[in-house]
Amino acid sequence: GESVGLHLPTLSVQEGDNSIINCAYSNSASDYFIWYKQESGKGPQFIIDIRSNMDKRQGQRVTVLLNKTVKHLSLQIAATQPGDSAVYFCAEKAPYSNTGKLIFGQGTTLQVKP
Amino acid sequence: EPEVTQTPSHQVTQMGQEVILRCVPISNHLYFYWYRQILGQKVEFLVSFYNNEISEKSEIFDDQFSVERPDGSNFTLKIRSTKLEDSAMYFCASLGQANQPQHFGDGTRLSIL
Repeated sequence: GESVGLHLPTLSVQEGDNSIINCAYSNSASDYFIWYKQESGKGPQFIIDIRSNMDKRQGQRVTVLLNKTVKHLSLQIAATQPGDSAVYFCAEKAPYSNTGKLIFGQGTTLQVKP
Repeated sequence: EPEVTQTPSHQVTQMGQEVILRCVPISNHLYFYWYRQILGQKVEFLVSFYNNEISEKSEIFDDQFSVERPDGSNFTLKIRSTKLEDSAMYFCASLGQANQPQHFGDGTRLSIL
């Protein structure tokens, strides 16, 4: 069935440390994944995406890793800052849909301690 | 950077009334979506819209719901006979082409009393 899940509901890190947020998906046919950041009162904001033909993709201070063998992806944030505090969602483009609809995970709340 | 805009930001309505939530997608995008997020839960797909018709809808999107693109810029979600359980954040998203990220608006908080 369709499901995307995150391992931890809350992650608390010290400012300046690296953060790792994990996500598991269930469908091996999934080929496109997106990480979104959601701040309080706002909509999901695109952070980084990755296609299934890649294992790793880097952005500014963020890296997404995709392990297709175990159907797992992670978001790494380097030198975490207070402004990174938010809820992070992984989303998967539904594999058997041609409409581009997204399936979201439950979300991990990242708390950055000063 | 172009963005998706939604109005109103907060809508309070009596149970049984009809509401219309409005969205202006990014101008050159072709695919449009509505999602719902009940407080504290994950974002759920409601409906996708392409080429002036619904392309896919979830089981949540029953006869109570309808979408429309009345002109070249607006995309609306109508909820008839609102129920208490319709209270949620409703997000509009748009997409330019396949395998690109959807861009979301900041949502409308719908409160049914």
